[in-house]
Amino acid sequence: DARVTQTPRHKVTEMGQEVTMRCQPILGHNTVFWYRQTMMQGLELLAYFRNRAPLDDSGMPKDRFSAEMPDATLATLKIQPSEPRDSAVYFCASGKTGELFFGEGSRLTVL
Amino acid sequence: ELKVEQNPLFLSMQEGKNYTIYCNYSTTSDRLYWYRQDPGKSLESLFVLLSNGAVKQEGRLMASLDTKARLSTLHITAAVHDLSATYFCAVDGGATDKLIFGTGTRLQVFP
Repeated sequence: DARVTQTPRHKVTEMGQEVTMRCQPILGHNTVFWYRQTMMQGLELLAYFRNRAPLDDSGMPKDRFSAEMPDATLATLKIQPSEPRDSAVYFCASGKTGELFFGEGSRLTVL
Repeated sequence: ELKVEQNPLFLSMQEGKNYTIYCNYSTTSDRLYWYRQDPGKSLESLFVLLSNGAVKQEGRLMASLDTKARLSTLHITAAVHDLSATYFCAVDGGATDKLIFGTGTRLQVFP
């Protein structure tokens, strides 16, 4: 049963610490998206890749966030340094023909 | 910039009743998706609508797309408690395959 896998599922950290979230897309999917979900802002697109190339990261605070896709089986989202306002659920999704399949999310709490 | 709006934001309805959720978007697109999210869970794909006039049905849910009006509807027939969830529409931003999500409609079905 193919699915998008995200780690960690939960992360509690202190302000100023580095946080790295990882995503394994579904094999054969060529697009990977990172979304952030909060009660106030809903689902925000942070960054996305096609065939491992970054296409758009305009939704991401550039000074502290970075997204990479070192190979076809791994996408990463890094926050350094983290701040309390980064607390949210971060979803990774992958797709091939437009429809996206979502991972279970990484719930981040920054104290 | 593509904007996607849903209404209502919250919907409380009695079992057995019918209702429609609306999704409006601001720029031309031929591809629209509906997702369901249960509390604390990931997003699950419900419908993929790929052309003007497309209609898809699954159980008590029916989705349609009018690309000329830039409008999609999700119709609920004879609601049951199991349909309680948050429903999102998402619109393809065009050549970039970028999915922009609506605000979501939180549906609660009560006896």
